Amino acid sequence: AQRVTQPEKLLSVFKGAPVELKCNYSYSGSPELFWYVQYSRQRLQLLLRHISRESIKGFTADLNKGETSFHLKKPFAQEEDSAMYYCALYGLYGQNFVFGPGTRLSVLP
Amino acid sequence: DARVTQTPRHKVTEMGQEVTMRCQPILGHNTVFWYRQTMMQGLELLAYFRNRAPLDDSGMPKDRFSAEMPDATLATLKIQPSEPRDSAVYFCASGTGTKNTEAFFGQGTRLTVV
Repeated sequence: AQRVTQPEKLLSVFKGAPVELKCNYSYSGSPELFWYVQYSRQRLQLLLRHISRESIKGFTADLNKGETSFHLKKPFAQEEDSAMYYCALYGLYGQNFVFGPGTRLSVLP
Repeated sequence: DARVTQTPRHKVTEMGQEVTMRCQPILGHNTVFWYRQTMMQGLELLAYFRNRAPLDDSGMPKDRFSAEMPDATLATLKIQPSEPRDSAVYFCASGTGTKNTEAFFGQGTRLTVV
């Protein structure tokens, strides 16, 4: 079964502090992993995907197949990073996107 | 800048009324997803289509919800009769369904059933 878990519903950090949003997945195969971000009352938009191995807005995420994790990290959080973050899995078998429950990041001044 | 378009953006209706939400996927995308977002459940997949054919609608309450794609440029989600517990934001997303795919989301329909 495809499943994505994000253990933290809410994560609060101070501006300039490092931030890590956790994501674990279960999938029998090689999925594609994504992080989506949703700013207040806006549509979800792709932040980054594991196959790109790029840094977007200072965020990076590494796929760890051994731990089945895809944690999102940023060394210095900014207030504009405050948003809802969703980890998602796309399985070529099911050919659909499965989203985690989301983590609301609040960056305090 | 191609975008997924959803209408209406907001809908307030009385319990028992029929609600129809519409989605125009990005031209050329052959996969359409419907998600429901609530504070309690997060983002739930209701149904998705590939080349206008429903692939999975197991996330949808069948007795009151129905999803269709009358043509490649329109997807609809209907609720009849609506209930207060249906109040949520409903998102449509489209994609290519291929390797390296990405889901492009619409702005959502905020439904309130009173």
